Amino acid sequence: LAKTTQPISMDSYEGQEVNITCSHNNIATNDYITWYQQFPSQGPRFIIQGYKTKVTNEVASLFIPADRKSSTLSLPRVSLSDTAVYYCLVGDNNAGNMLTFGGGTRLMVKP
Amino acid sequence: EAGVTQSPTHLIKTRGQQATLRCSPISGHTSVYWYQQALGLGLQFLLWYDEGEERNRGNFPPRFSGRQFPNYSSELNVNALELEDSALYLCASSSGRESGNTIYFGEGSWLTVV
Repeated sequence: LAKTTQPISMDSYEGQEVNITCSHNNIATNDYITWYQQFPSQGPRFIIQGYKTKVTNEVASLFIPADRKSSTLSLPRVSLSDTAVYYCLVGDNNAGNMLTFGGGTRLMVKP
Repeated sequence: EAGVTQSPTHLIKTRGQQATLRCSPISGHTSVYWYQQALGLGLQFLLWYDEGEERNRGNFPPRFSGRQFPNYSSELNVNALELEDSALYLCASSSGRESGNTIYFGEGSWLTVV
């Protein structure tokens, strides 16, 4: 079961690019990497998912190096509304996996 | 298309009572996950159901239980409620046990035990 480590908190300013890195040294072969955004008192919202190399969608990019022992969520030009907790989840949906979340990174975007 | 729906949104119970929370997964999804999130803390894995079977459970006492119905909806039961059970209970669903199936969350049910 891959354990994840993320920075507890990060500060940024509006319009900047934010990169949040998640370490997962014991990632398994079938594990995928998924990032979620959570606002207070709401359920986590799916942002992006990847297995290797780079994935990009309309809101973020996910960079995964060849050894897959870490991953970086990149948020381009953040706004105040991006202030939230970001979680990386590393796991495999297959039988026996508990899909455990790490502690999350609290991102504060300032004007 | 509707996302994961949970009910009730809020529930207040007295210590010692039982609480039942309900979840409807995204249409076509067969796996349902339950997580507990105490105020200001991270997500703790509770239970995972797939195709009507309990596939795994987290480190919670037996008074936390649940089931999945033939239509893949699920309910979480918490017996003998304790004050520390007060939390946001999140349900999530995915399209099965294959690797890479994305898990989508509902908005949660707030349980307050007084």
